[in-house]
Amino acid sequence: ETGVTQTPRHLVMGMTNKKSLKCEQHLGHNAMYWYKQSAKKPLELMFVYSLEERVENNSVPSRFSPECPNSSHLFLHLHTLQPEDSALYLCASSQDVGANYGYTFGSGTRLTVV
Amino acid sequence: GENVEQHPSTLSVQEGDSAVIKCTYSDSASNYFPWYKQELGKGPQLIIDIRSNVGEKKDQRIAVTLNKTAKHFSLHITETQPEDSAVYFCAAKLYSGYSTLTFGKGTMLLVSP
Repeated sequence: ETGVTQTPRHLVMGMTNKKSLKCEQHLGHNAMYWYKQSAKKPLELMFVYSLEERVENNSVPSRFSPECPNSSHLFLHLHTLQPEDSALYLCASSQDVGANYGYTFGSGTRLTVV
Repeated sequence: GENVEQHPSTLSVQEGDSAVIKCTYSDSASNYFPWYKQELGKGPQLIIDIRSNVGEKKDQRIAVTLNKTAKHFSLHITETQPEDSAVYFCAAKLYSGYSTLTFGKGTMLLVSP
């Protein structure tokens, strides 16, 4: 375990479903991130939260909705997804957004949209 | 913004050989360069990092070198073992009030026994 826990590990959902991904960290980090990892593509940054406030949204479609209720928890709410949204969704945390320290990643949620 | 290029995309070596993965970055203001290893079914894990005030850093069988003038940095793995097989990502980051890591596309390293 890295200290960042993601649930569920696998998720299959239909295009009309609504589901949520959960991320939890108890490392005392102030920044949390959602990344999308697709085959043969670089890691795509989706959202950044610093002290529970969203600081970056990289032109992500509105069918992805993040929520950060406190500095230890991060959610990604999904609705009316498309098959091309199938990917590995990774959560990460770091001490602060601006500081030069590495990110700690969770093991990801493998999402399949059918 | 920052752009990170990583080569090669796939690297196959025999156990005991050395492996080198290279990355270039575009923004001369970047000053933090981590490397991540991602094994099958897991998220990326930080294995080594270097800051721009040093040219080389070593940790047992892995080392990273940085050439700020040429804007490139490399990961060196010596005496490779089958358990080194994984996807390796380089990344670069500005030191500023707010900036995030920019990742390369990854290198799949295969170490054959």
